Amino acid sequence: DAGVTQSPTHLIKTRGQQVTLRCSPKSGHDTVSWYQQALGQGPQFIFQYYEEEERQRGNFPDRFSGHQFPNYSSELNVNALLLGDSALYLCASSPRTASGNTIYFGEGSWLTVV
Amino acid sequence: AQSVTQLGSHVSVSEGALVLLRCNYSSSVPPYLFWYVQYPNQGLQLLLKYTTGATLVKGINGFEAEFKKSETSFHLTKPSAHMSDAAEYFCALREGGGNKLTFGTGTQLKVEL
Repeated sequence: DAGVTQSPTHLIKTRGQQVTLRCSPKSGHDTVSWYQQALGQGPQFIFQYYEEEERQRGNFPDRFSGHQFPNYSSELNVNALLLGDSALYLCASSPRTASGNTIYFGEGSWLTVV
Repeated sequence: AQSVTQLGSHVSVSEGALVLLRCNYSSSVPPYLFWYVQYPNQGLQLLLKYTTGATLVKGINGFEAEFKKSETSFHLTKPSAHMSDAAEYFCALREGGGNKLTFGTGTQLKVEL
């Protein structure tokens, strides 16, 4: 059983460009969320998707947007990249049915903005 | 608003010594609490979680944590440290449903011979 998978693992972008990161949730999970982890800090919640809609959002600007597909996979898009967007982006999944369920994380996508 | 505080950004112990990583939380509702471990250049792996019921929670790799409501704490312990325990540890809180976790700033554990 594959866990949460993310792609790409590493990428370098130039300031002002746009980036798309992809995530496939663990089998049986319908809820996906994204986190940003800057160097030396804890992950920060960006947003959560289920039933193909954004359900909850953290304190991130509109430059950060997402999408969830019918197969529950998800994309994170960041427009007009800033140097400060350089971070590890983590995707997490869980079933939506119970709050106590474990949230599983992927290995992350390392984004460097130059 | 909920928050998580991890005391000590860096903790160093000798191999075989007790590991104690501190976590305090603030929440307006009964929280679900988690400890995750992150090895270099990897994602987060769940060590253990507290949802309801028994306040002493046992996790993987010999770790355990005790939920103390009166102290708003959820400290992580391991009786005997191993070199392979060297990693960053994150305490996290979840209020209600969904996937929103609020993380602490992490504690880097170093294990010395």
